[in-house]
Amino acid sequence: GAVVSQHPSRVICKSGTSVKIECRSLDFQATTMFWYRQFPKKSLMLMATSNEGSKATYEQGVEKDKFLINHASLTLSTLTVTSAHPEDSSFYICSARTTGYEQYFGPGTRLTVT
Amino acid sequence: GQSLEQPSEVTAVEGAIVQINCTYQTSGFYGLSWYQQHDGGAPTFLSYNALDGLEETGRFSSFLSRSDSYGYLLLQELQMKDSASYFCAVRDPSGAGSYQLTFGKGTKLSVIP
Repeated sequence: GAVVSQHPSRVICKSGTSVKIECRSLDFQATTMFWYRQFPKKSLMLMATSNEGSKATYEQGVEKDKFLINHASLTLSTLTVTSAHPEDSSFYICSARTTGYEQYFGPGTRLTVT
Repeated sequence: GQSLEQPSEVTAVEGAIVQINCTYQTSGFYGLSWYQQHDGGAPTFLSYNALDGLEETGRFSSFLSRSDSYGYLLLQELQMKDSASYFCAVRDPSGAGSYQLTFGKGTKLSVIP
């Protein structure tokens, strides 16, 4: 149980285009979903926290207009990187929690912007 | 601010025991978690300590001392597959819903034959 999927696993896009990443909790309802960004050999940096049906809470320094988060249901959250640039290339990971403290992580999405 | 310190790299021999330390300075504290991440993969949950003391789960144990703002992950009977990055993370009572995690920079463990 407690499986989180992400789609796509890898994406390459051109500079200036937008990319949508989906995060789904497959066998549980996620009260809260989190979006992280991870640079090579670095730690996970929390970008935003989203609760179903409400606006996401963004961490300091994360542009909400650039990283659009929609938490449409208790099993789906999406992150859209708008007008992507090469510096947005990174590993994006989502996680989800139910009623407990533990977060279950998705497999991550490798974004490369050319 | 929030900060967690852990060694950047550790090397140990197969079959041995290794301890990865984590010290933290956070504005709030609910508990300390440990996650394992293989290259290119997702972090997987290993353990969680909310109270002082040792928690044991198979070959892995985790310890917490809240008075010292310190914890460690102990890996016994090391196997080659244990080569990965290990992150400590503090459950943060601030922010949205009090379930945010602040991660350390990670410790890359290399297990050698």
